[in-house]
Amino acid sequence: EPEVTQTPSHQVTQMGQEVILRCVPISNHLYFYWYRQILGQKVEFLVSFYNNEISEKSEIFDDQFSVERPDGSNFTLKIRSTKLEDSAMYFCASSEVGTAASPLHFGNGTRLTVT
Amino acid sequence: SQQGEEDPQALSIQEGENATMNCSYKTSINNLQWYRQNSGRGLVHLILIRSNEREKHSGRLRVTLDTSKKSSSLLITASRAADTASYFCATDGSGNTGKLIFGQGTTLQVKP
Repeated sequence: EPEVTQTPSHQVTQMGQEVILRCVPISNHLYFYWYRQILGQKVEFLVSFYNNEISEKSEIFDDQFSVERPDGSNFTLKIRSTKLEDSAMYFCASSEVGTAASPLHFGNGTRLTVT
Repeated sequence: SQQGEEDPQALSIQEGENATMNCSYKTSINNLQWYRQNSGRGLVHLILIRSNEREKHSGRLRVTLDTSKKSSSLLITASRAADTASYFCATDGSGNTGKLIFGQGTTLQVKP
């Protein structure tokens, strides 16, 4: 069964450094998302992406964050200058359509630790 | 406002028993989904119920939706140790986009 893959599985970085989290969505999916889950808390929406544009973003997704689809397969999340509070699991997801009727397919996440 | 609040937060049962998890939400919705998350892994979609549906089945899963009470329940029948995981409801908040709002989740432990 096709799956969403994320790399790396664990990233440790120092405060103030830039990180890029990578995702390969399911190949025929057109809608891509990033969510994050701080330890012990809810899974929170960050951003959705379609047709090479951000279609929606949350308050969390400030100027420190950016997303890109640099080629036909990868979807990346960049955090420009990491803060301690950015430590979390970051999940990439994709879906066939961008409506609420379409289930999301999640990757296994990247655990980001900012020290 | 909080959306998709589950209860109980934690549930521990014996294998073979049924597990019921509840979810409440505050705003109107188009659909409600349930996801499962094994420890340290991504979320896996279990079932989607539309706002005009009251009940849906998938294998050992039964989901109900009461839009008048803004609540949903997930029933897992004849539970197995492999069902041990966290279960989340997720709503669309009537935005009808792919954005989902997740609840805090119920952690289910099924003892063999």
